[in-house]
This record gives sequence, C-alpha cells and structure tokens, in this order.
Amino acid sequence: NAGVIQTPRHKVTGKGQEATLWCEPISGHSAVFWYRQTIVQGLEFLTYFRNQAPIDDSGMPKERFSAQMPNQSHSTLKIQSTQPQDSAVYLCASRHRGNQDTQYFGPGTRLLVL
Amino acid sequence: AQKVTQTQTSISVVEKTTVTMDCVYETRDSSYFLFWYKQTASGEIVFLIRQDSYKKENATVGHYSLNFQKPKSSIGLIITATQIEDSAVYFCAMREVITGNTGKLIFGLGTTLQVQP
Repeated sequence: NAGVIQTPRHKVTGKGQEATLWCEPISGHSAVFWYRQTIVQGLEFLTYFRNQAPIDDSGMPKERFSAQMPNQSHSTLKIQSTQPQDSAVYLCASRHRGNQDTQYFGPGTRLLVL
Repeated sequence: AQKVTQTQTSISVVEKTTVTMDCVYETRDSSYFLFWYKQTASGEIVFLIRQDSYKKENATVGHYSLNFQKPKSSIGLIITATQIEDSAVYFCAMREVITGNTGKLIFGLGTTLQVQP
C-alpha cells in the first residue's frame, strides 16, 4: 500500500494569496487528520474527518482556514489570504478505523508565505 | 489539561550503544494511548511503537522498547544497538480515550538524537 500522499510538497505564496493543500489518505483508512508543525509551536492538531464527515476542528484558526473531505480518497486544507505566520509544514495523517488505531503521516507540505 | 513533555532537547551517543529518551504526560483519563514517532532529516514522520495504558507489559518492536511507568505518567523510549540511521527527532505523543474524543494526538516538542560513529 502506498502511504499518505500530500501535494504539493512545497508551496510559496505571496501575502494575501490563497493556498490549497491536498491529502490522499491510505486506501481503506476512514479517518483523516491535519496537523501543523512550526519550530516554535511544534506539532499542533488542526482538524479531523471520519468517514468524510468533519468531527473536530478545534485546532483550526477561526478565520481564513477551512478543510474539506469531499470523498474518501482526498481531503483539502485551504488557507485564504495567507499571512507570513501561516508559514509551516502542514501534515496529513490517516487512521484505519477506531480510536485505538495508529495514525500514519504523509510527507507534509512546506508552505512559505512571503 | 492534556500535555506531553520531553525534557531532553538533544542527545548524542556513539553507535551500537543504548539510549533512553524521556517523556512525561498529563491526562485526566484512565485510558489512553502513547506513541513514539521519529522525524527523519527529510521531514518524514514515521510511527515507531505504541503503548496502550491498560497493558502492563512494556511494548517492544525491533530495537525499540518502552519503559512505561504509569504511576509516574512516564513513557520512556529505549533504543538498543543504535545505528547512524537512528539519528532523527523523536516525538512522544498521547491520545486520550474518552467519550466523544476524536483521537487527536498531543505531541511533545521532540528530542533530537545524534548517533555518531
């Protein structure tokens, strides 16, 4: 099985532009998580989908960030009007079924906002 | 509140020796899962090993093992016979198991391990 796939691997945007990040979970996995990694904050949870339904977005900044999972094979994280402080590595992870299962991470998308 | 703390910022060892990385956690739950991941130089985050809180036996996978001390809320990672390629950042993570909990992971800030020849 292929692992979690994330595209693009690197993205550079200008301040105020929109960025859309893509994630393809491991086939057969029903849960998708998004995390953000920065030097200062470390790895932080953003949002979570189970069977394509949004379950928990408690980590998402209330403005400018949104996530969707239109089908079981991909999820997107969209950042509108990007700001320099949005620069980070955005990681997607998928999990098979239950809460007891392990999450497996994708390679991440490194976003740089100039 | 949920919290995971890794006090060791970096460790340097000589290859073929044993290293222990510390991790303590805070949780109100009586049931939870603990994980160790490593992040390689390329940025890839790789799952290594897990410990379920209800299990008394320490988990072991290959040359990774855990030292689970539940009364101390501690989960140490032990790597035996270290290799150069074990050089990476190691993250401890916790997932609580409560009604309605989504299973999100709470991470420590990581410990950088450098294995030297």
